Amino acid sequence: AQSVTQPDIHITVSEGASLELRCNYSYGATPYLFWYVQSPGQGLQLLLKYFSGDTLVQGIKGFEAEFKRSQSSFNLRKPSVHWSDAAEYFCAVGVSFGNEKLTFGTGTRLTIIP
Amino acid sequence: NAGVTQTPKFQVLKTGQSMTLQCAQDMNHNSMYWYRQDPGMGLRLIYYSASEGTTDKGEVPNGYNVSRLNKREFSLRLESAAPSQTSVYFCASSEGQYPSYEQYFGPGTRLTVT
Repeated sequence: AQSVTQPDIHITVSEGASLELRCNYSYGATPYLFWYVQSPGQGLQLLLKYFSGDTLVQGIKGFEAEFKRSQSSFNLRKPSVHWSDAAEYFCAVGVSFGNEKLTFGTGTRLTIIP
Repeated sequence: NAGVTQTPKFQVLKTGQSMTLQCAQDMNHNSMYWYRQDPGMGLRLIYYSASEGTTDKGEVPNGYNVSRLNKREFSLRLESAAPSQTSVYFCASSEGQYPSYEQYFGPGTRLTVT
């Protein structure tokens, strides 16, 4: 079965600084990969997804992620964070060919300091 | 489009009481899901429905039942609530077909069992 690890429970960055959130997955074949964001008291919103092709994918709100097969990683990046990016971020993996379920990581909480 | 809607938003139950959480989606999606979210544990799948008329257990199904009433609606029932079921419950939906496996989430139901 597939699994997802987000090694950082909590990250604090200054407004305007760059951000990288880590995600590692375990799955034998090429997975489908997603990043979601959850603002306090809200549901999850899809930031971006990877299915195939270009390993650098662009998402909403200025986020991007890079799929690295050799490292089993799908790290989320943003060049310059804004105070409104403070939220919890979840990485998720789905398997190819017919399994409709996603497996979510435990999340990384992002705090932005002025 | 309202997307995924959930009712109620908040609920307090006493141990042993029953209740049904309602979920509806207006995106004509095939697949629907119920998750629970607990601090430090990410999202855990309770039940899912790959298509109208089918339901399957997820990671944590004990103490819950579901009904896929039609393509739009997927309800979650707690027959005899326990304090361990205190959580935030999210419903999600997905086309569930390649390449559209991303899930869209409702705003959540915050349930407290005393």
